[in-house]
Amino acid sequence: GAVVSQHPSWVICKSGTSVKIECRSLDFQATTMFWYRQFPKQSLMLMATSNEGSKATYEQGVEKDKFLINHASLTLSTLTVTSAHPEDSSFYICSAGDRGGNTGELFFGEGSRLTVL
Amino acid sequence: QKEVEQDPGPLSVPEGAIVSLNCTYSNSAFQYFMWYRQYSRKGPELLMYTYSSGNKEDGRFTAQVDKSSKYISLFIRDSQPSDSATYLCAMTTGRRALTFGSGTRLQVQP
Repeated sequence: GAVVSQHPSWVICKSGTSVKIECRSLDFQATTMFWYRQFPKQSLMLMATSNEGSKATYEQGVEKDKFLINHASLTLSTLTVTSAHPEDSSFYICSAGDRGGNTGELFFGEGSRLTVL
Repeated sequence: QKEVEQDPGPLSVPEGAIVSLNCTYSNSAFQYFMWYRQYSRKGPELLMYTYSSGNKEDGRFTAQVDKSSKYISLFIRDSQPSDSATYLCAMTTGRRALTFGSGTRLQVQP
């Protein structure tokens, strides 16, 4: 099946630094990728929709200047958490769908766990 | 009121039991319904995907959708300890961004 890869899987950083998380579709092209955040024992909350070649669409309450999304190619989207603070510590997960796939066929990455000290 | 409601559990059953997981939703525009399984500290894995009302079976898993009642279910037959995970229902109007339930933690006791 289709594979979505995320890197890094775990990152620890100091407060005030920026962290970049990569999301790659390994065997298909994805015009749209989605970024979710998941706090412990809670469900996934959509942060933003990343569109190849254009600006991301952010959900209400998500700061676009805090969470920078770049979707420069059909196989790569990046999420940069700028000036990270402890409250940004969370599990970040991306998903992508095959361009020719059905609506429901979204594939998720393994997630990236961010810990901000 | 949340758009998607799901009992968080935890749900503990003995090995071999039939498990029933449920979600209700309020947005009648939802058309596509999915069930994901998530192991601890891993990304969600798609188990079942349904579009219309009715049942869909895949091995030990059966997904049921009742659009008139805005209610979906996932049944797991002959449950195994390896089924222990968090099960998330998800749905979409068709624009691909998913709305998730809060997840139900399932523990299958050997």
